[in-house]
Amino acid sequence: AQKITQTQPGMFVQEKEAVTLDCTYDTSDQSYGLFWYKQPSSGEMIFLIYQGSYDEQNATEGRYSLNFQKARKSANLVISASQLGDSAMYFCAMKGGSYIPTFGRGTSLIVHP
Amino acid sequence: GAGVSQTPSNKVTEKGKYVELRCDPISGHTALYWYRQSLGQGPEFLIYFQGTGAADDSGLPNDRFFAVRPEGSVSTLKIQRTERGDSAVYLCASSFRPDRDSPNEQFFGPGTRLTVL
Repeated sequence: AQKITQTQPGMFVQEKEAVTLDCTYDTSDQSYGLFWYKQPSSGEMIFLIYQGSYDEQNATEGRYSLNFQKARKSANLVISASQLGDSAMYFCAMKGGSYIPTFGRGTSLIVHP
Repeated sequence: GAGVSQTPSNKVTEKGKYVELRCDPISGHTALYWYRQSLGQGPEFLIYFQGTGAADDSGLPNDRFFAVRPEGSVSTLKIQRTERGDSAVYLCASSFRPDRDSPNEQFFGPGTRLTVL
């Protein structure tokens, strides 16, 4: 069974600052993928970044980077230079051998001007 | 190109009624997923199609829920004898065929907000 834990129900950050959203996972699969999605108030889930379990380097996509620590089973999302438009719910998800993603409960991020 | 579309965007129905929710995936995506998202929760898996067949329906909560994808593109989620507890946002996502070595990330539609009175 797969499990994703996001312990931060809400986070606040000042515009232009960096913020880290936590995600830990549990799986018995040897090969798996980790994803982060953003869900604005409009409701649509937007894919942000992916990390494969065998990738040696941390994934980066523009202002998003994934701090992957395999031994600790953590896959934290780092958003640099926060913008007002980054205010949204953020979901961590994992996909293993079953190809069915498991999502965490999400973290609400509010960016203050 | 066009993304995943879902209709209707909102559906209000009475307890006991039958509803159909439609999902039109991205052209070329063979995998299609249905999720249910309750307030304050992440998406909860319902069913996964690969092509026309349901590859995994282990997330369907009971036999009142059924989904089809007869031609391998558009899918319909059908809920019989709706209950107030079925109220949620129903999300559809599509992707290329899942692969161990590729992310093949899912692209989500805007969802259908179902309210059962």
